[in-house]
Amino acid sequence: EVQLLESGGDLVQPGGSLRLSCAASGFTFSNYAMSWVRQAPGKGLEWVSGISDNGGGTFYADSVKGRFTISRDNSKNMLYLEMDILRAEDTAIYYCAKEIGKLGTPLFDYWGQGTLVTVSS
Amino acid sequence: IVLTQSPATLSLSPGERATLSCGASQSVSRSYLAWYQQKPGLAPRLLIFDASSRATGIPDRFSGSGSGTDFTLTINRLEPEDFAVYYCQQYDGSATFGQGTKVEIK
Repeated sequence: EVQLLESGGDLVQPGGSLRLSCAASGFTFSNYAMSWVRQAPGKGLEWVSGISDNGGGTFYADSVKGRFTISRDNSKNMLYLEMDILRAEDTAIYYCAKEIGKLGTPLFDYWGQGTLVTVSS
Repeated sequence: IVLTQSPATLSLSPGERATLSCGASQSVSRSYLAWYQQKPGLAPRLLIFDASSRATGIPDRFSGSGSGTDFTLTINRLEPEDFAVYYCQQYDGSATFGQGTKVEIK
């Protein structure tokens, strides 16, 4: 059974930093691209960032480019999102999502339960 | 690619048919269009991919159609568990989502 378990969400001040983690199990993690998708309170879904199966390719939404860094550790089946210079508009539930392939087709067949990031003073 | 969903809210009774629309600002090549269902407090669930293919375990009352810039999700004979928010998403390169359609009980 595929499982994705996010952690690391917290209350942080504007300008601060946070690191999200996603523990994957139930599939061969190193064979699939992964993404982070967020959802602001009461709003729709927004793709944030994606990474290829081997970590060699990373992609970002314009809204987070230069502030967020996605990475993965295939030896530990872990996905990460380093978030810097956080803004109030980054407040959202952040979902870890498995893509169906290795790279370039961001279709998400499994999602974690999400972790809440709140940016506020 | 910007996706626009309509209507924003659909009020229907159990047993009725729901028809949800998703329009794209430019053609979605290879029909790389998906539909997701999201219930309150839960993560989205993949229903339809490649515009018309049902994901694993999705009942056949859910069907998708369309190509180019116009796509439709149809839910035949609404069940109580189908009342939720539905999002379309294109994955032709990057990923963008529509703003969602809420299917509520009339």
